Amino acid sequence: GAVVSQHPSWVICKSGTSVKIECRSLDFQATTMFWYRQFPKQSLMLMATSNEGSKATYEQGVEKDKFLINHASLTLSTLTVTSAHPEDSSFYICSAGQPTNEKLFFGSGTQLSVL
Amino acid sequence: GDSVTQMEGPVTLSEEAFLTINCTYTATGYPSLFWYVQYPGEGLQLLLKATKADDKGSNKGFEATYRKETTSFHLEKGSVQVSDSAVYFCALTGGGSNYKLTFGKGTLLTVNP
Repeated sequence: GAVVSQHPSWVICKSGTSVKIECRSLDFQATTMFWYRQFPKQSLMLMATSNEGSKATYEQGVEKDKFLINHASLTLSTLTVTSAHPEDSSFYICSAGQPTNEKLFFGSGTQLSVL
Repeated sequence: GDSVTQMEGPVTLSEEAFLTINCTYTATGYPSLFWYVQYPGEGLQLLLKATKADDKGSNKGFEATYRKETTSFHLEKGSVQVSDSAVYFCALTGGGSNYKLTFGKGTLLTVNP
């Protein structure tokens, strides 16, 4: 089946630095990708919808200037957490849609820890 | 807005035990309902789905029935295996979108031999 690769799987960074997370669709073209965040013991929450070649659509309450999303090609979307703070520590997951069969495929997630 | 509530974990069972993970939802209109599973170190995978009331989704021995009257989509399996140990997420899409998923918190299942 279709595979979505997400890197890195975990990252530790200092407060104030920026972290980039990549999401790649390996064997299909994804015009739409999604970014989710999960805090411990909380639901997986949709942060934004990434559209290839256009601006991302952010969910209410998500700061677009803090969570920069770039979907420059049909196989790659990136999420950059800018000026990270400890409260940004969370589990981030991406998914990509395969329009032909309306399925979503998920990356394995990135655990971000901000010190 | 839409929301999904699933039972708190973790759930620990012995092999061959019966499994139920409860899931209820709140949504406008007629959502599609899903169960996703995440095995250790892997991405979420679609386990089963149901798109309308009274539909039963099934896969790998797991079943869930779309109950509109009780707004529920409980996951069941008659005899679990050690390999079923994973985190299970109940989810829905609504409003005509096939992609924008609303998830529950996830339930960690551990099956002991």
